[in-house]
Amino acid sequence: QKEVEQNSGPLSVPEGAIASLNCTYSDRGSQSFFWYRQYSGKSPELIMSIYSNGDKEDGRFTAQLNKASQYVSLLIRDSQPSDSATYLCAVKDSSASKIIFGSGTRLSIRP
Amino acid sequence: GAVVSQHPSRVICKSGTSVKIECRSLDFQATTMFWYRQFPKQSLMLMATSNEGSKATYEQGVEKDKFLINHASLTLSTLTVTSAHPEDSSFYICSARDSSLNTEAFFGQGTRLTVV
Repeated sequence: QKEVEQNSGPLSVPEGAIASLNCTYSDRGSQSFFWYRQYSGKSPELIMSIYSNGDKEDGRFTAQLNKASQYVSLLIRDSQPSDSATYLCAVKDSSASKIIFGSGTRLSIRP
Repeated sequence: GAVVSQHPSRVICKSGTSVKIECRSLDFQATTMFWYRQFPKQSLMLMATSNEGSKATYEQGVEKDKFLINHASLTLSTLTVTSAHPEDSSFYICSARDSSLNTEAFFGQGTRLTVV
């Protein structure tokens, strides 16, 4: 059973600080990794994708991937209250077309 | 990002009836579509994966005769909840990707189903 593990949280971060979200996965052959944000009652929206080791930056978001450690993370700089949501880590199954989701980390940005 | 449109966004039906949910990719060819169910405060649960023109692959524990999936074209997949019961009330979400390009999956807006 291929798994994606995340700390469920809630993770509470003061406004303006850096929020760090972590994820580990079991499928060593995976090559594609994604972070989705889901607001309560809404469907997930893609915020970052990463395919190679290292860092990938997009605005206030930085995704980090370490395939050797089977670890992927998301950093959110200058956190805003609007960043409060559940963040889902997702990994493309190496042997099938499906994407495996973690259970999500609830992030709360306190003013 | 790519646009995936899901309809209806909200539906209430009587117990025993069937409900059809549509998922359309508007600006790309969705060779693969996924159907998820999400109960309140829980994670996404993958129900099935469908590839255009072939039968859907259902996850363990999901009844294929109850949740009928049709992926007849590269832009449309439908999920029909047959003989709905109150315990089927949930948030159903589709997502779609172009497997040939190995891209990320994009989600529809979701359908809130309430069975009364």
